[in-house]
Amino acid sequence: GAVVSQHPSRVICKSGTSVKIECRSLDFQATTMFWYRQFPKQSLMLMATSNEGSKATYEQGVEKDKFLINHASLTLSTLTVTSAHPEDSSFYICSGTGGQGNQPQHFGDGTRLSIL
Amino acid sequence: SQQGEEDPQALSIQEGENATMNCSYKTSINNLQWYRQNSGRGLVHLILIRSNEREKHSGRLRVTLDTSKKSSSLLITASRAADTASYFCATDGVETSGSRLTFGEGTQLTVNP
Repeated sequence: GAVVSQHPSRVICKSGTSVKIECRSLDFQATTMFWYRQFPKQSLMLMATSNEGSKATYEQGVEKDKFLINHASLTLSTLTVTSAHPEDSSFYICSGTGGQGNQPQHFGDGTRLSIL
Repeated sequence: SQQGEEDPQALSIQEGENATMNCSYKTSINNLQWYRQNSGRGLVHLILIRSNEREKHSGRLRVTLDTSKKSSSLLITASRAADTASYFCATDGVETSGSRLTFGEGTQLTVNP
């Protein structure tokens, strides 16, 4: 099956640090990638949708200057949490799809971000 | 916003029993998908059912879809301890673009050995 690799799996850093998370599709071209945030025992909340070569579309309430998304190639998207604060601590998950209708999303293993 | 609602929120059964989880949604859909998430991991795609399909099977999984009631069910037969995980339904809405999914709240399944 299609594989998405997400790194790092765990980040612990001080408040004010910027953190970059990478999401790579290893064996397919991800024309669209999605970034989600998940709090403990809750569902996934879509943060933004990114298409290769264009600006990301952010969901309502998600600060685009806080969560910078770059989708420069068909196999790589990055999420940078700028000047992270404790309230940004969460589980971040990316997914990719080939973009055709009726296709599943393929998920990375997530990044556990802890801001001290 | 999340439009899917799943019940039960938590389900605990014995190994060998069947597990049934339900999902309801509010808008018209292109398809409905079920995903599984082990604790602290990403989601694994289980099965996709299109809006014009009523039932689909994959191994020990059986999914039904009733578009008139805007609901779906996931049945896991002959459950195993390794089936312990959270299960989410996700809908690809007619009015949303680019394969964007809306996830339900999930059912936490525990299968006791």
